Amino acid sequence: NAGVTQTPKFQVLKTGQSMTLQCAQDMNHNSMYWYRQDPGMGLRLIYYSASEGTTDKGEVPNGYNVSRLNKREFSLRLESAAPSQTSVYFCASSPIAGGHQETQYFGPGTRLLVL
Amino acid sequence: GQQLNQSPQSMFIQEGEDVSMNCTSSSIFNTWLWYKQDPGEGPVLLIALYKAGELTSNGRLTAQFGITRKDSFLNISASIPSDVGIYFCAGQLWAGGTSYGKLTFGQGTILTVHP
Repeated sequence: NAGVTQTPKFQVLKTGQSMTLQCAQDMNHNSMYWYRQDPGMGLRLIYYSASEGTTDKGEVPNGYNVSRLNKREFSLRLESAAPSQTSVYFCASSPIAGGHQETQYFGPGTRLLVL
Repeated sequence: GQQLNQSPQSMFIQEGEDVSMNCTSSSIFNTWLWYKQDPGEGPVLLIALYKAGELTSNGRLTAQFGITRKDSFLNISASIPSDVGIYFCAGQLWAGGTSYGKLTFGQGTILTVHP
């Protein structure tokens, strides 16, 4: 049981390049999330998927798109990377969305540098 | 939006000392979560609190859900070197029947333990 896995672990992009961050969970969770972590700002929600087939914007969605490929996988795409998107990206999953005892489990993160 | 203030921002302590950190919010939550993040890893859930006034322990960790529902604290007793990391609080407001109860994260407390 690997929990939440993310690929790649590290990536360097040039401004304007595109890339997709991959996330998968093997806990049969319904909900999945993408966060970014910047120094001194905690974690901020980019997009989430409450269940397979649905996606919604979070706090900082601009410049990103997501795809809930199936129940296990939730990808984050940067169509045209900008230096402001340099960050550490975390994927998370939870059994249900909005439930009183929602608990999110995090992946190890992807460290992205945009030059 | 909701704001979480976590303090202190950093702590430098000697091994064996007790640690206390807290989070305060401008509005109420009905769930408080405490996470720890080791260097290069994703956050790991330490304690979850679901009821105002609740006091919950997990080994040397104790956390409480404030009566006003606007604050929470985390205590670590008899600290050891492996307690080093970043500790995050997160609050969730679940309105019941909604599709998602967004987690709001504090800025984190960086803990350093000197042997």
